[in-house]
Amino acid sequence: GENVEQHPSTLSVQEGDSAVIKCTYSDSASNYFPWYKQELGKRPQLIIDIRSNVGEKKDQRIAVTLNKTAKHFSLHITETQPEDSAVYFCAAVLGDFGNEKLTFGTGTRLTIIP
Amino acid sequence: DSGVTQTPKHLITATGQRVTLRCSPRSGDLSVYWYQQSLDQGLQFLIQYYNGEERAKGNILERFSAQQFPDLHSELNLSSLELGDSALYFCASSEGTGRNSPLHFGNGTRLTVT
Repeated sequence: GENVEQHPSTLSVQEGDSAVIKCTYSDSASNYFPWYKQELGKRPQLIIDIRSNVGEKKDQRIAVTLNKTAKHFSLHITETQPEDSAVYFCAAVLGDFGNEKLTFGTGTRLTIIP
Repeated sequence: DSGVTQTPKHLITATGQRVTLRCSPRSGDLSVYWYQQSLDQGLQFLIQYYNGEERAKGNILERFSAQQFPDLHSELNLSSLELGDSALYFCASSEGTGRNSPLHFGNGTRLTVT
């Protein structure tokens, strides 16, 4: 079926270290891959997105890489800080033309240890 | 502030009742999406409307229905409520159909069914 798999489900890293979250998707036609951060009790917020015409995109401490051949994409957070603690969701647009929908991964709970 | 407005913020009701959740999209956005998030769970896609028409459907229960009005605001109706319907319901909007544009989430409506 059409889905987005996300790993790991939980991740704890020491402050200052890097964190990597990985996602795979099933639809080779997908061309848009956003990442959302959700703090406890709050709305998901877009932190970075990538389209299929590029392989990597960076915004300060956050970067996303995309491998269309392997159908996977990853979020990299460097020099982690306590405020990076949150649940992170990857997403991909899946489905037939005219019925596409943004499908979210199951989320990764990231905890930064001071 | 995402520009997406959801009301009410909180709703407490009894089993068997019916409620209506309301969403106003960001100015200029034509698509509205509804997502359900149960405690510590991921984002489950319910339904999408684009410019007044239903565009994509997820695992939305038959007891649930939605519509998008000419002014582009949307309402999600939940009827014959069950305890398991207790969740955070998010509305999101996007500029286009969502194939390659980000979703912007509202702050959600927290529904508690007792």
